[in-house]
Amino acid sequence: AQTVTQSQPEMSVQEAETVTLSCTYDTSESDYYLFWYKQPPSRQMILVIRQEAYKQQNATENRFSVNFQKAAKSFSLKISDSQLGDAAMYFCAYRSADDFGNEKLTFGTGTRLTIIP
Amino acid sequence: EAQVTQNPRYLITVTGKKLTVTCSQNMNHEYMSWYRQDPGLGLRQIYYSMNVEVTDKGDVPEGYKVSRKEKRNFPLILESPSPNQTSLYFCASSPPGRTTYEQYFGPGTRLTVT
Repeated sequence: AQTVTQSQPEMSVQEAETVTLSCTYDTSESDYYLFWYKQPPSRQMILVIRQEAYKQQNATENRFSVNFQKAAKSFSLKISDSQLGDAAMYFCAYRSADDFGNEKLTFGTGTRLTIIP
Repeated sequence: EAQVTQNPRYLITVTGKKLTVTCSQNMNHEYMSWYRQDPGLGLRQIYYSMNVEVTDKGDVPEGYKVSRKEKRNFPLILESPSPNQTSLYFCASSPPGRTTYEQYFGPGTRLTVT
């Protein structure tokens, strides 16, 4: 079974600075997908960024980028120019690329990010 | 607007009183799933459905039931709720063809069982 580990329960960063959230995972599969979800106080789950394991290039979405290290099974999220609206719980998630089975997302335990004005 | 809806959003109930949390999506998605979120545990899958009349257990199915009689609806049933089912519940769905691998989440249902 796959597992996802987020070792930082809480992080804080000064507004406009850069912060990196860590995520490691364990799997025996060679093809899979990794995600970062943001959960603001509204509790809505919002997809931030997605990475396909077969792609070597790290995904980027505006101020959000990932550092995907497949051999190390590491998938960190970098937030540049942090804004007050980035304050939220961030979840790392894994999904198998198996097209015929359960599309389950396996989540980490989350990192609560605080933005300091 | 394409969305996943859940009702109710908040529910306080007592031990043993049967309840149903509804989930509906208007995107013609085949795959639907229920998760529960607990502090320090992240989200864990309860049940999932790959299509109408096709459902299966996830990682934490004890105490829950589901049904999928229509493609758009996937209700979560607690026949005899207990305090350890106090949690935040999310319904999610995925588009057919698995072209994006993204799951669309509902707004969540906060359940308290006393």
